[in-house]
Amino acid sequence: EAAVTQSPRNKVTVTGGNVTLSCRQTNSHNYMYWYRQDTGHGLRLIHYSYGAGNLQIGDVPDGYKATRTTQEDFFLLLELASPSQTSLYFCASSEGRDNERLFFGHGTKLSVL
Amino acid sequence: QQKVQQSPESLSVPEGGMASLNCTSSDRNFQYFWWYRQHSGEGPKALMSIFSDGDKKEGRFTAHLNKASLHVSLHIRDSQPSDSALYFCAASDNAGAKLTFGGGTRLTVRP
Repeated sequence: EAAVTQSPRNKVTVTGGNVTLSCRQTNSHNYMYWYRQDTGHGLRLIHYSYGAGNLQIGDVPDGYKATRTTQEDFFLLLELASPSQTSLYFCASSEGRDNERLFFGHGTKLSVL
Repeated sequence: QQKVQQSPESLSVPEGGMASLNCTSSDRNFQYFWWYRQHSGEGPKALMSIFSDGDKKEGRFTAHLNKASLHVSLHIRDSQPSDSALYFCAASDNAGAKLTFGGGTRLTVRP
């Protein structure tokens, strides 16, 4: 089973604050993804990457930056956090061949007050 | 409107019963479907994929795909309390790498 580790598990910040969510996968997967989960909306793709230095825009990118520093590490940055970004964030990875399954981390619960 | 819509939003079945979950896509480019399951406090985990018309069976789980109507369903027979979870349908186009998820169906299996 592929291993995807997210940190922190919980984060509280104030409106306008800076937040960095971290994700590491140790399975040599090419693709990594950031999703947010909200009741009624399911999982929505924020950003994804197919390798170190690469970044692709997802479906709900506004207010988020991401950076893939190595094949293993993918970061999500909220530079001016807003209450609308209060959510459960999941990182996932996949080998990247067509229609491959995604392997998810345990999630980071972010609250923006 | 979400490109992948699931119904019902919630479902309760007795232990040993059959649970049926539905998913429809509004995007004709979506031809490849997955079912994911998420237990409380965990990340989603892939249950099964279905890429061809017809049925695909894996143990107690059967998926059915009708590409003409872009409808996919998941049937769980002999439901167990451990099947209680949030179930997501997800779809991708021919490029494959990017999955679009539906809003989810919460299944409760009553002992």
